[in-house]
Amino acid sequence: DPKIIQKPKYLVAVTGSEKILICEQYLGHNAMYWYRQSAKKPLEFMFSYSYQKLMDNQTASSRFQPQSSKKNHLDLQITALKPDDSATYFCASSQPGTGGAEQFFGPGTRLTVL
Amino acid sequence: QEKVQQSPESLIVPEGAMSSLNCTFSNSASQSIWWYQQHPGKGPEALISIFSNGNKKEGRLTVYLNRASLHVSLHIRDSQPSDSAVYLCAVRTNTGKLTFGDGTVLTVKP
Repeated sequence: DPKIIQKPKYLVAVTGSEKILICEQYLGHNAMYWYRQSAKKPLEFMFSYSYQKLMDNQTASSRFQPQSSKKNHLDLQITALKPDDSATYFCASSQPGTGGAEQFFGPGTRLTVL
Repeated sequence: QEKVQQSPESLIVPEGAMSSLNCTFSNSASQSIWWYQQHPGKGPEALISIFSNGNKKEGRLTVYLNRASLHVSLHIRDSQPSDSAVYLCAVRTNTGKLTFGDGTVLTVKP
């Protein structure tokens, strides 16, 4: 059974629209993260949450808004989509705290903005 | 801003050989260094991590860390075609943030 579920697997959007990427984890972790991977850049950290509170935000744009409605959910809302937002978005989770805790990654949502 | 650089960009080895991958990072105070494996169309999977100077062995994998030279290496003994993938080096900070390198594409030829 998949431990981290990301929905949808593929997403096509038009420029200027808004989309929500879903992430649920069933590992019992209290820290969740979003990363982005595009053809032009390495896997890039976006946000980290611990116990549903924002810990770190490395995303310059306010168009990206994480939403944590339950402790095992961390969705990502993206508004005013641009072609440059095209990438695969990965959700990850771990136990919070020490540097020794492994981060487990989901299968990703591949977003294409036309 | 942490920077992570990996070399080589790609590596081809015959089955049964040792694969050696390198990574340099910019901040000696980074908490831990991780190696991830990523297959096409999949999320990264953690292979091994190291925090202290020295080496750590797990199965066919050995990782060496030298904080003074800001260098970490991963060695895969007896490489198999199933080891063919992209290998990502990542540095973790105390907020949980992982900073990744561009990756090394490993191809193991049967």
